[in-house]
Order: sequence, then C-alpha cells, then structure tokens
Amino acid sequence: GQQLNQSPQSMFIQEGEDVSMNCTSSSIFNTWLWYKQDPGEGPVLLIALYKAGELTSNGRLTAQFGITRKDSFLNISASIPSDVGIYFCAGQAQGGSEKLVFGKGTKLTVNP
Amino acid sequence: DGGITQSPKYLFRKEGQNVTLSCEQNLNHDAMYWYRQDPGQGLRLIYYSQIVNDFQKGDIAEGYSVSREKKESFPLTVTSAQKNPTAFYLCASRRTSGASYNEQFFGPGTRLTVL
Repeated sequence: GQQLNQSPQSMFIQEGEDVSMNCTSSSIFNTWLWYKQDPGEGPVLLIALYKAGELTSNGRLTAQFGITRKDSFLNISASIPSDVGIYFCAGQAQGGSEKLVFGKGTKLTVNP
Repeated sequence: DGGITQSPKYLFRKEGQNVTLSCEQNLNHDAMYWYRQDPGQGLRLIYYSQIVNDFQKGDIAEGYSVSREKKESFPLTVTSAQKNPTAFYLCASRRTSGASYNEQFFGPGTRLTVL
C-alpha cells in the first residue's frame, strides 16, 4: 500500500528546544492528521488539517497543510520530557476517503 | 466516557491456535478499522468496515478474519494461517459524515505474542 515519507526517523533533543518534522507524498492529499503514540499505547490525535495552507495550533504544537497539498509539517516548541514518543503523520489521499495512509513515525527523545 | 476499548491488553497464544481480539466503541461511529504495528513500522491496514455486516480487506488481510454483526463491535481473529502473528494490534473508528469525518480514533491496542 501507499506510504508517506516521514522525516526524520528519530530526534534526540534537549529539553526546551524546538522540534520540526515533516511528511511528504507523491500524490495530493485532502486531509493531514498528526498523532502521538506513547510506548504500548494507541495513537492519540493531536491536530487535523483540512485546507491547503492551513496552520493550526494545539498548545505548543503547530501543524501546517502544505500549499502543494503533498506535504505537512509539525512543530513542537519548547519541548518538555513528556513530549517523548512517536509522532505519526497520516493523510487521506484524494479519492481515497475510506482509508488513511500513515508515515512510519518520528521517534522523539527529550533529554532533561 | 466515550471511547474505544480493546481487550485484553496482552495476549499469549501457542503457535497453531486461532485467537480473537476484541474491539468495542461507544462513539456511535459507523466505520471501524484494524491495524497491525511492528517495531519501527507504520500502521498497516488489515481489515475495515464502513457499515454493519460489511467489511473490506486492507493491505495485509491474509491470515486474518473479521465480523461486523453490531455497530459497536469489530472483532479480529488471527488464524493459524498468519505466518508471523506476533505484533501490536490497533483498532480505530471514525464517523462517516460531518466536518471531521476523516479523523480516526484509536483504542489502546492489544499486544499478541505467539509462542
């Protein structure tokens, strides 16, 4: 099945630093979703994006729907230890309303 | 509280045995999904259902079976035909109408280990 290219695969940062990660696709997407997964738990939806160019925030998290509709970005500002986890992007491709396509995740480690 | 429950959290089975994983939701969502997650991998779709008594194969359906007899429930059976069943299994659901209908919500997962 189709997959998204998510980068970086992993990040090791110091507490207080800002974080950026992104997802790209070869095809156009109508929806971009960002999830966070803690070890041994299910993913939790952080932000949903529905319009090209849309910029949405959820606390210290900000995500953007790329204007080409083929990419999305997630930024975390002033990271804290509880930000540790795996962040997944997911998208609904044009014409594919029943299923989501997932990236392989970005594993974030925050050193206190 | 509305949500998705999966039980059990951990499941151990002997090789060759079928096992059924439970998924229940009280969100009144029409669509439900089963994913498999392996270490370092994204989520791979096993089966999904848009409506009661109907379901479709995902990308990796071989060795799995599902049923959708009730809107709230979407059990997954891992059969002995599944070559490598040890994995973390996630159930999700979503609405099929409304402004945010693409948003899938996940259960806590079941970790299956086949010995």
